Amino acid sequence: QVQLVQSGAEVKKPGASVKISCKASGYTLISYGMHWVRQAPGQRLEWMGWIKAGNDNTNYLQKFQGRISITRDTSASTVYMELSNLRSEDTAIYYCAKGGISWEGLGVWGQGTTVTVSS
Amino acid sequence: YEVIQTPSMSVSPGQTASITCSGDKLGNKYVCWYQVKPGQSPVLVIYQDSRRPSGIPERFSGSNSGNTATLTISGTQAMDEADYYCQTWDISTVVFGGGTKLAVL
Repeated sequence: QVQLVQSGAEVKKPGASVKISCKASGYTLISYGMHWVRQAPGQRLEWMGWIKAGNDNTNYLQKFQGRISITRDTSASTVYMELSNLRSEDTAIYYCAKGGISWEGLGVWGQGTTVTVSS
Repeated sequence: YEVIQTPSMSVSPGQTASITCSGDKLGNKYVCWYQVKPGQSPVLVIYQDSRRPSGIPERFSGSNSGNTATLTISGTQAMDEADYYCQTWDISTVVFGGGTKLAVL
């Protein structure tokens, strides 16, 4: 079955970078887009960006422009999300989620990766 | 683009819960709904306004018209207590509502 397995929890200092992996199984990675969504403690789901199907085109939420990079390694069936210049407000659970085709929504989610930013 | 949800609501077991999501001309866009329980990853319960993914109970249904999308849970059960988020698209970005905390009392 389709499954997304993310890398483990991270603790980072302000100003550092974090790179989270999302390994996909059960489908062809490049055939579907992959989204990244985060949820800070007690806050709403916040979409961050995605890498599109079929190519390496990405689209990021404007508030993360310049700090975020989403990449894909098809040989490893893995998508990565790197967020730089971390601040305390970036403390959150980060999820990868498989996009669908034709507005099908985010049908499969990873288990989440907790990132804590603290001095 | 922004979509607005009521922050919280409650429903008695067995009754119908209607959770709304409003946005400018939202009926012209597709809407999805996600269920989020504490400590768990979000689960897609409705996509393309009214379609249910396999494995989602029939008591979950959706509609979208005008400026409002609605998630309806018929015969609400205790296990349905969760946060529910609507989601749509604006150009090439994904937009989530603020979420509705549903209490089953």
